Amino acid sequence: ETGVTQTPRHLVMGMTNKKSLKCEQHLGHNAMYWYKQSAKKPLELMFVYSLEERVENNSVPSRFSPECPNSSHLFLHLHTLQPEDSALYLCASSQRVYNEQFFGPGTRLTVL
Amino acid sequence: QKEVEQNSGPLSVPEGAIASLNCTYSDRVSQSFFWYRQYSGKSPELIMSIYSNGDKEDGRFTAQLNKASQYVSLLIRDSQPSDSATYLCAVKAGGNTPLVFGKGTRLSVIA
Repeated sequence: ETGVTQTPRHLVMGMTNKKSLKCEQHLGHNAMYWYKQSAKKPLELMFVYSLEERVENNSVPSRFSPECPNSSHLFLHLHTLQPEDSALYLCASSQRVYNEQFFGPGTRLTVL
Repeated sequence: QKEVEQNSGPLSVPEGAIASLNCTYSDRVSQSFFWYRQYSGKSPELIMSIYSNGDKEDGRFTAQLNKASQYVSLLIRDSQPSDSATYLCAVKAGGNTPLVFGKGTRLSVIA
């Protein structure tokens, strides 16, 4: 595997489900990010981790819960989501925090 | 509120022409500027970074930065249908500050 990988690529879940998104970077980077991309809106930064420590949490609802067990892996745990949470969720990584970022393929999430 | 503005398009250019994509930003202390290309249904791909005033060329792509006027542009020479995508501009102030993205400009290269 090369670059940044994300699983699953597509996810459909009900409002009462609990699911997790997984991201893995194979670039030896020290920072990882979760972004949300909705139609007609700029990319929204959700969470930032630098060397496994969370450095940014942009007023994201608590139904989104990040986890960074090491510098190569990042998770986004989802529970009791709302239909407006349907979007493309992108993981990214960079050598140092807030430097050039490289994106994974994304998870297309649909909340019914 | 730091803002990055891009014309949403679509910008239509004929094959072989020069496509010019523009981006303006509000934060005067911005220091790093990035262009990402995003094909429909795919994730953003970094294509250019520029940090100082002037032009930076990479193949058919040229990024132009004018900090005094607070704009950055991307020129694509000899445009190809495969260049059809949405181009995102991202801007960063100095230090540990996040990237701020524009909404993107959709480019359509007509064969």
